[in-house]
Amino acid sequence: AQKVTQAQTEISVVEKEDVTLDCVYETRDTTYYLFWYKQPPSGELVFLIRRNSFDEQNEISGRYSWNFQKSTSSFNFTITASQVVDSAVYFCALSEEGRRALTFGSGTRLQVQP
Amino acid sequence: EAQVTQNPRYLITVTGKKLTVTCSQNMNHEYMSWYRQDPGLGLRQIYYSMNVEVTDKGDVPEGYKVSRKEKRNFPLILESPSPNQTSLYFCASSLSTAEGLAGGHSADTQYFGPGTRLTVL
Repeated sequence: AQKVTQAQTEISVVEKEDVTLDCVYETRDTTYYLFWYKQPPSGELVFLIRRNSFDEQNEISGRYSWNFQKSTSSFNFTITASQVVDSAVYFCALSEEGRRALTFGSGTRLQVQP
Repeated sequence: EAQVTQNPRYLITVTGKKLTVTCSQNMNHEYMSWYRQDPGLGLRQIYYSMNVEVTDKGDVPEGYKVSRKEKRNFPLILESPSPNQTSLYFCASSLSTAEGLAGGHSADTQYFGPGTRLTVL
């Protein structure tokens, strides 16, 4: 069975601080996909990134970066120089190939204080 | 604009009164799905559909029905709502035909609707 754990329930930082959101996953499959979604206070779910299990290259997109490590079954998300607009709940999710359902973690609420 | 739409966005109802939440996508996606979001639990899948007339249960299907008569629409039906179905509901869609890395279907990115907040009194 697949499982995603986001141990950090809530994180509070001050603007311009760097922050890392942790995601640990469990799966028996060798082929799987990992995702991050952002849920701002308005409630919608915004897709951020998709990674497959064969691609361990780190990804950087502006102030966002992702560190995928199969050895530790982790897919962590770092925001550099955080901004108030980054305040949201962030979800990590996993999908095994052939099984359509996304398994979500319980989410990490990030509060960025001005 | 490519999007997934849901209606209504907010609904307050009473126990036992049948309701339908509509979901529509304009991206010609084969796969559609319903999730519910509850505090501390993240999102959990209710039902999904691989294509027209093909539906299957997710992790928490009890108390829900779905249908997929057209590719673009995937309504969620609560025949007899109960208070434990008070939740935030999301519809999602994705492509389904891409071949994955191991030969199965790739888990394409799911795009979500804006959500429907349902309260059952």
